Amino acid sequence: AQTVTQSQPEMSVQEAETVTLSCTYDTSESDYYLFWYKQPPSRQMILVIRQEAYKQQNATENRFSVNFQKAAKSFSLKISDSQLGDAAMYFCAYRRGGSNYQLIWGAGTKLIIKP
Amino acid sequence: DADVTQTPRNRITKTGKRIMLECSQTKGHDRMYWYRQDPGLGLRLIYYSFDVKDINKGEISDGYSVSRQAQAKFSLSLESAIPNQTALYFCATSAPGRENTEAFFGQGTRLTVV
Repeated sequence: AQTVTQSQPEMSVQEAETVTLSCTYDTSESDYYLFWYKQPPSRQMILVIRQEAYKQQNATENRFSVNFQKAAKSFSLKISDSQLGDAAMYFCAYRRGGSNYQLIWGAGTKLIIKP
Repeated sequence: DADVTQTPRNRITKTGKRIMLECSQTKGHDRMYWYRQDPGLGLRLIYYSFDVKDINKGEISDGYSVSRQAQAKFSLSLESAIPNQTALYFCATSAPGRENTEAFFGQGTRLTVV
């Protein structure tokens, strides 16, 4: 069975600095997708970034980028120029390829931004 | 208006009561999901449906049932609520196709069973 592990329950960073959130996963599949979701206090789940396993290039979305290490089964999220609005819970999630759209989630990392 | 709407947003109920959480969507997606979020555990899948006639159990379906009344509506029921079902519940939708990888979430229903 696939599993997703986020080993950092909480991280803090100074505003405008860079922070990296860790995620590892376990799967025997070769076709899959990985996601980072953000959950602010409003509770809404917001997609931050996604990565297709067949793509070697790391995904980027503005200040958010990932370091996808397929062999190591590692998928970390880097947030550059941290802003107060980045404070939230961040969840790493895995989805197998094909028609199965179920998401497997990590336990989450609470990100605190210090002004 | 939100694309995925959950009602109610918050609910307190007593042990043994039957309760229904509702989800409706305007995204036109055929796939709908119910997840439960507990602190320190992330989200876990309760049930999912790929169309009106297709209902599947997820990881933690015991104590729950669902109904897909229409393509746009997917309800979650707790037949006899118990305190350990206190959690944040999310409905989500997705579209078929390899290129459609994103799931869209409602704003969640916080359920407290006392």
